[in-house]
Amino acid sequence: AQRVTQPEKLLSVFKGAPVELKCNYSYSGSPELFWYVQYSRQRLQLLLRHISRESIKGFTADLNKGETSFHLKKPFAQEEDSAMYYCALSPTGGFKTIFGAGTRLFVKA
Amino acid sequence: SQTIHQWPATLVQPVGSPLSLECTVEGTSNPNLYWYRQAAGRGLQLLFYSIGIDQISSEVPQNLSASRPQDRQFILSSKKLLLSDSGFYLCAGAPGANVLTFGAGSRLTVL
Repeated sequence: AQRVTQPEKLLSVFKGAPVELKCNYSYSGSPELFWYVQYSRQRLQLLLRHISRESIKGFTADLNKGETSFHLKKPFAQEEDSAMYYCALSPTGGFKTIFGAGTRLFVKA
Repeated sequence: SQTIHQWPATLVQPVGSPLSLECTVEGTSNPNLYWYRQAAGRGLQLLFYSIGIDQISSEVPQNLSASRPQDRQFILSSKKLLLSDSGFYLCAGAPGANVLTFGAGSRLTVL
């Protein structure tokens, strides 16, 4: 069965500190992994996807198939990064996307 | 680019009343469409998805149903609402590549 686990409900860091939001998945095939973000009073939107291998707003995420993880990282957190972050998985070539429970990130001044 | 429109934004309904939440898509044809329920601490629960007109897959047995009468229209319905149907419902579309675009959401309160 497909499953996405985000072990932290809340993560609080100081501005300028590194941040890592954890995501582990369970899937028997080859998945596509995504990070979505929801800023206050905005719609849920795509942040990045693993096949793009991009850095978006300073965030990166590497797919580790051995550890079945897709952690989101940023070396220096900014206050505007405060938001709700969701890790998501979709089967390659499939139609369903399932989400983790989400991690709320607070970046303190 | 794709835009997802949802309405109503807020709805308060008595127990036992019917429900209809509507979602329309602008800017793309033949998208995959999805209904999710967002609950605090539990993330997004996939309720239904559709890959085409009248093609609906249900993920969770429940009091709700979905229909897709037109390519760009996706409707979430119930004949008789339960208290447990209260929540925040999100419509999403994927024109391809499984990248989802979300609507603004509909908050349903059942009293």
